[in-house]
Amino acid sequence: DAMVIQNPRYQVTQFGKPVTLSCSQTLNHNVMYWYQQKSSQAPKLLFHYYDKDFNNEADTPDNFQSRRPNTSFCFLDIRSPGLGDAAMYLCATSSGTGNSPLHFGNGTRLTVT
Amino acid sequence: GQSLEQPSEVTAVEGAIVQINCTYQTSGFYGLSWYQQHDGGAPTFLSYNALDGLEETGRFSSFLSRSDSYGYLLLQELQMKDSASYFCAVTPAGRRALTFGSGTRLQVQP
Repeated sequence: DAMVIQNPRYQVTQFGKPVTLSCSQTLNHNVMYWYQQKSSQAPKLLFHYYDKDFNNEADTPDNFQSRRPNTSFCFLDIRSPGLGDAAMYLCATSSGTGNSPLHFGNGTRLTVT
Repeated sequence: GQSLEQPSEVTAVEGAIVQINCTYQTSGFYGLSWYQQHDGGAPTFLSYNALDGLEETGRFSSFLSRSDSYGYLLLQELQMKDSASYFCAVTPAGRRALTFGSGTRLQVQP
């Protein structure tokens, strides 16, 4: 089945220690998104790629970076995680048309110690 | 900017009908979407309204009124498995990414 896969499912990192979360898709979608979701809150968009075109949200901290080396893979790099960065990180894809739904991965739950 | 407001919690019993409202303030958008998210799971797409009116998909229906800046998700014949969080969302005009509402936690009781 075509899908969006995130690894790992759970990630523990230390305060200030860089961490990378990964996402892959077999849907061949043009657009890949990273959302941050904290407990009992809505998913908050960090950034997205339309093909190789990177689109950062104005309020996304510089601490968060992303890479998309090819259509299938997208990475979220957190350069110096703080305690406030503990959250569920959701990767999603879409074909990019106005009404195309988002397909989400199961997320990576990040714990910062 | 965009702002979508939903009730934080709704409780209903099995077999009942429940309506989850979404009111929004946005300058323009392509359509209103609804997503379901179970605890610990990923959001999954439920429905989309590009135009005003009612869209029906099985037990779920969604409604949009642009003139009233209002939409809702209607769930019929509630089942225990419908206990989840429900988010309305819009893609603002000129953008490709969804902005989610505050979310409504639905609890279905026996």
